[in-house]
Amino acid sequence: KAGVTQTPRYLIKTRGQQVTLSCSPISGHRSVSWYQQTPGQGLQFLFEYFSETQRNKGNFPGRFSGRQFSNSRSEMNVSTLELGDSALYLCASSLIAGGNEQFFGPGTRLTVL
Amino acid sequence: SQQGEEDPQALSIQEGENATMNCSYKTSINNLQWYRQNSGRGLVHLILIRSNEREKHSGRLRVTLDTSKKSSSLLITASRAADTASYFCATERDNTDKLIFGTGTRLQVFP
Repeated sequence: KAGVTQTPRYLIKTRGQQVTLSCSPISGHRSVSWYQQTPGQGLQFLFEYFSETQRNKGNFPGRFSGRQFSNSRSEMNVSTLELGDSALYLCASSLIAGGNEQFFGPGTRLTVL
Repeated sequence: SQQGEEDPQALSIQEGENATMNCSYKTSINNLQWYRQNSGRGLVHLILIRSNEREKHSGRLRVTLDTSKKSSSLLITASRAADTASYFCATERDNTDKLIFGTGTRLQVFP
């Protein structure tokens, strides 16, 4: 089985721009979660989608949004980028919803200049 | 905010030695998981221990859970250079199933 894939792997943007990151879960997995990882804040939960519905949301501003498609692929969008949004964005999939074993993708490294 | 705090923040050992990492958390949990992350890459799930379990083994890994002290430990026996990575504990916050990660322990194993 192919693992979780994330595209793009690296991205450089400037302040004020918007960005869309993509995640393809393991085949058969219906839950996709997104995390932001920075040296200062560590791994922070962004949101979880299951069957195209957002189940949980972390404490991030409304500039961070996401969606899930019928094939379980997910995208997250960050609008009006700020320097502090520079981070490794990790996507994880799991068979069922909730905090059980999650399979992570390699991440997208976003740099905001 | 972080649910778990790992201790120590960094650990350096020689190959063949054992490595012990500790995790403390704040609220009641359903389960606790340990993950490994190689530098700048995705996380790999190592082991899950449920709140009604006290100890679990997987290969060279041994995890203990003490719910009365709200703490867990991960022991890696006979460490190898390939074990060099950051290790995170993760728990679900009480009454939700959001997975909250700890601050991580950076393990360096010297050959």
